[in-house]
Amino acid sequence: AQSVSQHNHHVILSEAASLELGCNYSYGGTVNLFWYVQYPGQHLQLLLKYFSGDPLVKGIKGFEAEFIKSKFSFNLRKPSVQWSDTAEYFCAVLIKAAGNKLTFGGGTRVLVKP
Amino acid sequence: GAGVSQTPSNKVTEKGKYVELRCDPISGHTALYWYRQSLGQGPEFLIYFQGTGAADDSGLPNDRFFAVRPEGSVSTLKIQRTERGDSAVYLCASSLLAGGGGGYTFGSGTRLTVV
Repeated sequence: AQSVSQHNHHVILSEAASLELGCNYSYGGTVNLFWYVQYPGQHLQLLLKYFSGDPLVKGIKGFEAEFIKSKFSFNLRKPSVQWSDTAEYFCAVLIKAAGNKLTFGGGTRVLVKP
Repeated sequence: GAGVSQTPSNKVTEKGKYVELRCDPISGHTALYWYRQSLGQGPEFLIYFQGTGAADDSGLPNDRFFAVRPEGSVSTLKIQRTERGDSAVYLCASSLLAGGGGGYTFGSGTRLTVV
């Protein structure tokens, strides 16, 4: 069965620092990739997605992610974080050949100190 | 509606009781998904509807869990003989098409606590 791994469970950083969250998946075929964010007390929201084309994807709020097929990775980045980026971040994979459902990683809790 | 609505937002029940959790998806969305999120973990797939039928129920943990979507819109997740291990946030999501080409829209979830 396919799986999604997020390497860091907790990340603490200061405002203006750069953020990179790792995500790896285990499936050799075609995938659609997503990052979702859950701000404190709010529901899951789509941050960005990759289906095909340019492997560098830009999302909302200054986030971007890069799909590296050879590494089965889809890491999330933001050059300069703000206190409002404090949230939990989830990587997810959709494999159409395995049914039209998202498989999520375990999440990374990010705390940005003001 | 404007978003995915889940009711109740919180539910506390005693072990062994029956509970129903409701999801009202975005109008016109044909696909509906149920997920369960335990503390410190990512959402875990339970079941997915395309229209009225369950297209994939492989994530339901056992036969105490059942879900319906009789008219292709509102869905109800039913849990019989609840156990303390069922305590979690139950999330519902919908998408316009199967697979969620534009990404799913999630509701705020129902926090179920079994005491």
